[in-house]
Amino acid sequence: AAGVIQSPRHLIKEKRETATLKCYPIPRHDTVYWYQQGPGQDPQFLISFYEKMQSDKGSIPDRFSAQQFSDYHSELNMSSLELGDSALYFCASSLRGRAREQFFGPGTRLTVL
Amino acid sequence: GQQLNQSPQSMFIQEGEDVSMNCTSSSIFNTWLWYKQDPGEGPVLLIALYKAGELTSNGRLTAQFGITRKDSFLNISASIPSDVGIYFCAGPNNAGNMLTFGGGTRLMVKP
Repeated sequence: AAGVIQSPRHLIKEKRETATLKCYPIPRHDTVYWYQQGPGQDPQFLISFYEKMQSDKGSIPDRFSAQQFSDYHSELNMSSLELGDSALYFCASSLRGRAREQFFGPGTRLTVL
Repeated sequence: GQQLNQSPQSMFIQEGEDVSMNCTSSSIFNTWLWYKQDPGEGPVLLIALYKAGELTSNGRLTAQFGITRKDSFLNISASIPSDVGIYFCAGPNNAGNMLTFGGGTRLMVKP
C-alpha cells in the first residue's frame, strides 16, 4: 500500500540558509501534520493542514511556515536556519479529524552546520 | 497542554523475556496509541485503544486502556532481537488535530 512520501530524506544546510521539505500524503488523505524530533526526543507537533487551511498549530517557530496545496501535498519552509533546527522532520497524514489514525512518513533528516 | 509520562526510559533485556512499559497522563485521553520507531525512520502504529478498559493484542503485543483514561500499558511477550527500537505512547487532542507523544521507552534486546 502507498505510504507517506517525504523528500528529501537527508538535507544539509548552513546557518542562516533556507530549506524546503516536501510531504506527499497517502492517497485520499486530506490532512497533513508536521512534527519535529530532536536527537533523543519524542516527536513534537508543529502544524497541521486540512483542505489547504491551517487546522492546528503547535510549537512552530516564526521562522518556519508551511502550506498545503490543492493536491494535498504540503511543504514546510524553514528560513534563517539555526544549529538547533537540526532534527528529524516527520510528516503524517490522515483523513480529516482522524489524528488517531495518522500514518507517518520516513522523515527528513536536516543537519544545520 | 497535555503531557504524557512514559516509563521506563530504557530497558535492556534478554531475548525471550517479557517486557512491560506504561504511560500516564494528568488529563484524560479518549484514545491511546502505541508506536514503534526504528532508528532514522518514522513511527509505526502498533496498537490503537479507543475505550476505557479495552485490552487489545497484536501478535506478541498487548496493550490496555486504563479505566481512568489517564494511563495505558504495553506488554511485549517473548521478546526477539527485532523488537529493538523506541516505543512511544501517544494521544490525540480533543479536536483530533494533533498527537502528543510520551518521552519514549528505548528497548534493547540481547540475543
